Amino acid sequence: GAGVSQSPSNKVTEKGKDVELRCDPISGHTALYWYRQSLGQGLEFLIYFQGNSAPDKSGLPSDRFSAERTGGSVSTLTIQRTQQEDSAVYLCASSLIGGTGLAGGLSSYEQYFGPGTRLTVT
Amino acid sequence: AQTVTQSQPEMSVQEAETVTLSCTYDTSESDYYLFWYKQPPSRQMILVIRQEAYKQQNATENRFSVNFQKAAKSFSLKISDSQLGDAAMYFCAYCVAGGTSYGKLTFGQGTILTVHP
Repeated sequence: GAGVSQSPSNKVTEKGKDVELRCDPISGHTALYWYRQSLGQGLEFLIYFQGNSAPDKSGLPSDRFSAERTGGSVSTLTIQRTQQEDSAVYLCASSLIGGTGLAGGLSSYEQYFGPGTRLTVT
Repeated sequence: AQTVTQSQPEMSVQEAETVTLSCTYDTSESDYYLFWYKQPPSRQMILVIRQEAYKQQNATENRFSVNFQKAAKSFSLKISDSQLGDAAMYFCAYCVAGGTSYGKLTFGQGTILTVHP
């Protein structure tokens, strides 16, 4: 079946503008993760969704960042009043089951990544 | 907090030769999972191999194998018979296992692998 898709592939925006990044997980995957990949910080976790709820938002760098997930499927990461330090590749991943409990085996928790959105703030 | 360290920013290998990428991690957890991901220029992260910490046997996937040393907290990746298509950025990653873990991954800084024909 189709993999994780993300849109747009690339986004250039002016400092101070708001942006929305979209993630379409694999159908049937209940867990969804957002990560950010930047030169200075490497790959870092942002937020985790189980269904439509976000039990772990600990990685969101500031209150300018927010995310939602609707219908247990599509997720949107919104960055308000973008700053130059927000420039990065934003990666989304989904897995069949969230967390790493013993039920289902490790393969059920394997995260499948999308191709990312490269955000450039000028 | 858990940390993952990849001490080799760049590595190179001749086609058909073998190369080993290093990874160390720090954790106080007893049960966890370790992964190696490959990221080609397309940016798509691809899972290469995974290891459950409670398993003593090293994982293997075709030309890819790991040397998992739990006491030393070391998890190196060996690529045998290297191919041009293996050229990519490789990330070592960790997540806590079981219970309330959300499965969020902690990544190392990455190693760029170049394969020479």
